[in-house]
Amino acid sequence: QVLLHESGPGLVKPSETLSLTCSVSGGSISSYYWSWIRQPPGKGLEWVGYIYSSGTTDFKPSLKSRVTMSVDTSKNQFSMNLNSVTAADTAMYYCARLSYFWSGPLKCDAFDIWSQGTMVTVSS
Amino acid sequence: EIVLTQSPGTLSLSPGERATLSCRASQSVSSGYLAWYQQKPGQAPRLLMYGASTRASGIPDRFSGSGSETDFTLTISRLEPEDFAVYYCQQYGDSGYTFGQGTKLEIK
Repeated sequence: QVLLHESGPGLVKPSETLSLTCSVSGGSISSYYWSWIRQPPGKGLEWVGYIYSSGTTDFKPSLKSRVTMSVDTSKNQFSMNLNSVTAADTAMYYCARLSYFWSGPLKCDAFDIWSQGTMVTVSS
Repeated sequence: EIVLTQSPGTLSLSPGERATLSCRASQSVSSGYLAWYQQKPGQAPRLLMYGASTRASGIPDRFSGSGSETDFTLTISRLEPEDFAVYYCQQYGDSGYTFGQGTKLEIK
């Protein structure tokens, strides 16, 4: 059973960098896409970006200038840095696995495994 | 960016009733890239459906999905107490992944 667990500070000062790491247990990080998804308090879900186990990345366009992601296959971990944070970046941050499925002839994808989430507050 | 609009915002029903949740896209979405999630308070989202109409592993058959292009529906045939939660649709397109704003299914 694959489990995901985030680690990182729960409080970040405005203009600084938010750094989170997601550890994957019970399975290999290889050959999958791994995402960060956030949820501001009382609001909906927002995809931040993903990284493939080879290091290929893609990000939400509005966040692209502030986000970097990395992967460490030897540690079965992936990480995210979000710089120049403001109060608008306050949210529950989830890491999630993006898996591919076949539904008949149709190739599908979806976030099938999620972490429990870690709350990050941006405040001085 | 493709915008997903879910309706209604809140749906009040009783256990045993049928729930119909709508997800409308601002542009055509490939059915393969339309998914539904359930989120209960204090919990991470849980994958319910992928490919618009295929149940994820372990999801009971009272959940069904349908639709194509810009109109998608999640139906719960007979509500169980544990089904009251927030439901999100999600798609993948040129600008990456986006989610709808959610439909809250509450007990009447």
